[in-house]
Amino acid sequence: QVQLVQSGAEVKKPGASVEITCKTSGYTFTNYFVHWVRQAPGQGPEWMGVIRLSDGNRIQLAQQFQGRVTVTRDTSTSTVYMELSSVRSDDTAIYYCARESPSSYYFDYWGQGTRITVSS
Amino acid sequence: QSVVTQPPSASGTPGQRVTISCSGSDSNIGSNYVNWYQLVPGTAPNLLIHSTNQRPSGVPDRFSGSKSGTSASLAISGLQSEDEADYHCAAYDDSLHAYVFGTGTRVNVL
Repeated sequence: QVQLVQSGAEVKKPGASVEITCKTSGYTFTNYFVHWVRQAPGQGPEWMGVIRLSDGNRIQLAQQFQGRVTVTRDTSTSTVYMELSSVRSDDTAIYYCARESPSSYYFDYWGQGTRITVSS
Repeated sequence: QSVVTQPPSASGTPGQRVTISCSGSDSNIGSNYVNWYQLVPGTAPNLLIHSTNQRPSGVPDRFSGSKSGTSASLAISGLQSEDEADYHCAAYDDSLHAYVFGTGTRVNVL
């Protein structure tokens, strides 16, 4: 069955970087897109970006994350990585990866979420 | 700050019908499909409705979606205790070139 399994919770100090992994299984990795979405406490989800694995690994990031987010992938392990740099307190959130069938515009499977806490 | 708004809460007794609204603009709901997700703390989000009114396999037919202009709705009929969760609408925004989510509605089963 389709699974997206994320790395565990982390606590980071302001200014640090954090990398979250999203290991996928149960489907052909390179035939889909993988998105990153976060939800801060008390707020709605916020889309961060996407890697289009079936489209030349093209990456699109939300404007507010450009320059601070890096998305990479390892095809040999069907894993996507998302690194957020220069973290600050308002980056405290649950971060999710999610799968999209190309150009369907919806996310059919999600990871379990990774809680990132930024605190000095 | 989300560009798509929802009422903060909705409630009903078991068996009742609850409707959740989602208000956007021409660049998102007005010109693209709407999707609905159920979020329960500690679990992976669940796709309830995609392409405005399509239910993925495994989602009960108690859940239905619709859209009119720049607003969309999710209806839950025959409300059950396990429906207590946060519900978020979402759509692609052509102006922002980004996916946008609604502010979310907490459904309480009384």
